[in-house]
Amino acid sequence: KAGVTQTPRYLIKTRGQQVTLSCSPISGHRSVSWYQQTPGQGLQFLFEYFSETQRNKGNFPGRFSGRQFSNSRSEMNVSTLELGDSALYLCASSLVTPSRNTEAFFGQGTRLTVV
Amino acid sequence: AQTVTQSQPEMSVQEAETVTLSCTYDTSESDYYLFWYKQPPSRQMILVIRQEAYKQQNATENRFSVNFQKAAKSFSLKISDSQLGDAAMYFCAFQEMKTSYDKVIFGPGTSLSVIP
Repeated sequence: KAGVTQTPRYLIKTRGQQVTLSCSPISGHRSVSWYQQTPGQGLQFLFEYFSETQRNKGNFPGRFSGRQFSNSRSEMNVSTLELGDSALYLCASSLVTPSRNTEAFFGQGTRLTVV
Repeated sequence: AQTVTQSQPEMSVQEAETVTLSCTYDTSESDYYLFWYKQPPSRQMILVIRQEAYKQQNATENRFSVNFQKAAKSFSLKISDSQLGDAAMYFCAFQEMKTSYDKVIFGPGTSLSVIP
């Protein structure tokens, strides 16, 4: 069974540009979450999508947005990039059952560098 | 709001020895998961072990075991017979079980070094 796939693995962007990251969850998983990992702030929750709807959002500015498609694949977009947006962006998927969520499975991440 | 604390930023262990990583958390929920994730230099977040809060028995996974103290909100990880490949960043994490909410809260991490 294929794991969570994130593309691209590495990105270098210039301040002010925008970027789109992609995440393909494990087959059958309908919940996709995004996390930002930086040395200073650690791992922080960005948002979660389930059945194409954003269910929960972390404390990030509106420049960070996302969406989920009918096949559960998700994209994350960051507009007007700032130097502080340089980070490892991790995507995780989980299987949601009627009674409970399962644990999250993580992709390898996308390393974004803003110069 | 839930929080996860790891009081040991760095730890080291001699190869073949045992090491224990500490984690405490705070929540008002009664039904949740606790995890230990390992993140080696490759950056892949790898699940090491998980514990469901309703289970009293401590989870074990080969050389990895936990000491789960629900009342004390403590969840430590014991690594036995440490190997060089165990060197990594270890994150303690918390996830509620309710289906309307899927978010993992991570601790700050403990960097584990294994000395040959």
